[in-house]
Amino acid sequence: QKEVEQDPGPLSVPEGAIVSLNCTYSNSAFQYFMWYRQYSRKGPELLMYTYSSGNKEDGRFTAQVDKSSKYISLFIRDSQPSDSATYLCAMSGGAQKLVFGQGTRLTINP
Amino acid sequence: ETGVTQTPRHLVMGMTNKKSLKCEQHLGHNAMYWYKQSAKKPLELMFVYNFKEQTENNSVPSRFSPECPNSSHLFLHLHTLQPEDSALYLCASSQGPTSNNEQFFGPGTRLTVL
Repeated sequence: QKEVEQDPGPLSVPEGAIVSLNCTYSNSAFQYFMWYRQYSRKGPELLMYTYSSGNKEDGRFTAQVDKSSKYISLFIRDSQPSDSATYLCAMSGGAQKLVFGQGTRLTINP
Repeated sequence: ETGVTQTPRHLVMGMTNKKSLKCEQHLGHNAMYWYKQSAKKPLELMFVYNFKEQTENNSVPSRFSPECPNSSHLFLHLHTLQPEDSALYLCASSQGPTSNNEQFFGPGTRLTVL
């Protein structure tokens, strides 16, 4: 079993839709949870960062962490074509070693 | 230059060649990382350097040889690579070993081994 599971997609939705991206994990020691966005031919950029359980909102983006279920989510409201990218979840137990999901390729159709 | 830069952006090499990848961070960070990103696989951590000292080698084959001359520069020396080493090699940096692990990535070097 992989430490972090993420559906690779692809996921295609119409512009304006609410997008839900998810990851599950098996290591209960993980405390730090991140979402990265990676455009084609670019490096990943940090989108959201959450410590422990709870919600965090930044503009159209909301990150949720449920440690009891070992489940994290990223919601994108009012999705735009510019949101089309691969979204990577990542997590760690406090050390520098991040464990990444495979990434979900998302396309927002105008 | 801002953030994390990597050169070259693309590299094609034969299995007998020797080449080097370069990374430079302009963020004042003290930790630097090499990752490998292969198609349909998660990012794999290769090496971690803190204050120029290697603190993590994630069982990487010796044909990959990192070098960190100072906290701003990181190199990955390549020799006698295999076709399966073809991938996107990403460099990242963070504040340091006691940071909250926010890692900032460069654009990567797309490596093709023939």
